Amino acid sequence: GAGVSQSPRYKVAKRGQDVALRCDPISGHVSLFWYQQALGQGPEFLTYFQNEAQLDKSGLPSDRFFAERPEGSVSTLKIQRTQQEDSAVYLCASSLQPGGQQFFGPGTRLTVL
Amino acid sequence: DQQVKQNSPSLSVQEGRISILNCDYTNSMFDYFLWYKKYPAEGPTFLISISSIKDKNEDGRFTVFLNKSAKHLSLHIVPSQPGDSAVYFCAASRGPGRSQGNLIFGKGTKLSVKP
Repeated sequence: GAGVSQSPRYKVAKRGQDVALRCDPISGHVSLFWYQQALGQGPEFLTYFQNEAQLDKSGLPSDRFFAERPEGSVSTLKIQRTQQEDSAVYLCASSLQPGGQQFFGPGTRLTVL
Repeated sequence: DQQVKQNSPSLSVQEGRISILNCDYTNSMFDYFLWYKKYPAEGPTFLISISSIKDKNEDGRFTVFLNKSAKHLSLHIVPSQPGDSAVYFCAASRGPGRSQGNLIFGKGTKLSVKP
């Protein structure tokens, strides 16, 4: 496809479970971002990759959150020991170059019971 | 503390009239401002942007105005169409961090355009 894709689109997890969220950016896009959008809020920055290098992870809320982009294309956001407050839509965005226009995927809606 | 504020959670406008969405920011280091549009179950899509060196940018029916002294920007949609009904997010970034693309978003304003 031509756009950013994310999978799964919906994920329900029991509290304490680990989850992995996948992002396929637009082919050739150097920059990749993860955002978290809680209900009724705007997206909040989590982390940023330039190619395979994670240059900014200042937005990750705790050490339970981990992101990787080992080959500079697909990225995975992993959340360990999920908590109810982790329930949110997780958005991935990519841009062709640093500072370029960000294209967002449809998001993964995570519900932690 | 919110650095980008959209104080109107919702706005209802008649088709053909002007829609004005407002956004305030607190960080004077912001140098680039964007508006995104979001439909349900989809990701935000870029609409229009403005650099801090400008006070107006226009693209078709969409115009963004920036008032740096007031730390305020607004998005004007003229004429409004039912297909414009969506949630609109204001976002800002600051350089040199802008090269990393860390966008700060407001909470969004839900626009409803009635036929």
